Amino acid sequence: GENVEQHPSTLSVQEGDSAVIKCTYSDSASNYFPWYKQELGKRPQLIIDIRSNVGEKKDQRIAVTLNKTAKHFSLHITETQPEDSAVYFCAASGVDSSYKLIFGSGTRLLVRP
Amino acid sequence: EPEVTQTPSHQVTQMGQEVILRCVPISNHLYFYWYRQILGQKVEFLVSFYNNEISEKSEIFDDQFSVERPDGSNFTLKIRSTKLEDSAMYFCASSEIQGFNTGELFFGEGSRLTVL
Repeated sequence: GENVEQHPSTLSVQEGDSAVIKCTYSDSASNYFPWYKQELGKRPQLIIDIRSNVGEKKDQRIAVTLNKTAKHFSLHITETQPEDSAVYFCAASGVDSSYKLIFGSGTRLLVRP
Repeated sequence: EPEVTQTPSHQVTQMGQEVILRCVPISNHLYFYWYRQILGQKVEFLVSFYNNEISEKSEIFDDQFSVERPDGSNFTLKIRSTKLEDSAMYFCASSEIQGFNTGELFFGEGSRLTVL
C-alpha cells in the first residue's frame, strides 16, 4: 500500500526565516497531495494542496512543489511568524475506490520570535 | 461555512465497553471517513464509506469496529469492546469527489476516546 515519509520530524527556525518540509510517497498512481496544519488539540486543517498535473502552487507565504518523477513534494513557508508554529502533515491520495489519504508522520515547526 | 460536526468531544470508558462516536458530515458530500490519531502520532486511516457501504478499510479496522449511516445525516463509528490501545482522537471526515480527482478532506473537531 501507499507509504508517505516526512522529514524533518522537528524544525526550529527564527521568525522571518523560511521553513521547508519534505515528503516522499511510494505509489506512483497518487494524484493529490495536501498539506495540513494541526495546532495542539485541534483538527487538521488544509493549508494548501497540489494535484499531479502541476509542479508548483503558491498561496501568499506558502508554496508546495511536486516532483512526480522522484515521487516527492515539499512545503515551503517564507517569512515565518510565531503563529506558524504547529505540526504540519503531508498526505497523498491515489485514484481508487476510497480516495483515502495516507499521512506522513508530521513535522513539529517552532518559529522563535 | 459548512462543517463536519462530531459528538462527543471526549468520552471516557472502561475497557471492554462499547462506544459509539457520532458524526454529521457536510450535507452535499458523498464520501465519509474515520481516521484515528494516537497522542503525538500521525493521522491514520481507518475506513471509508460511500453509497451506504464500506469502500475500504485499514488493518486497524478489525471486527471490533463497525460503521453505519443510520439516517440521511449521521455517520457513526462503533467500537464493540474497547481496549486500552483504542485510546486516541477519532476524526470523522467527508469529501466531495470531483470526477476522478480526490476532493478536499474536511475534518471534524474530533472525539477523544480514553479507555481505562
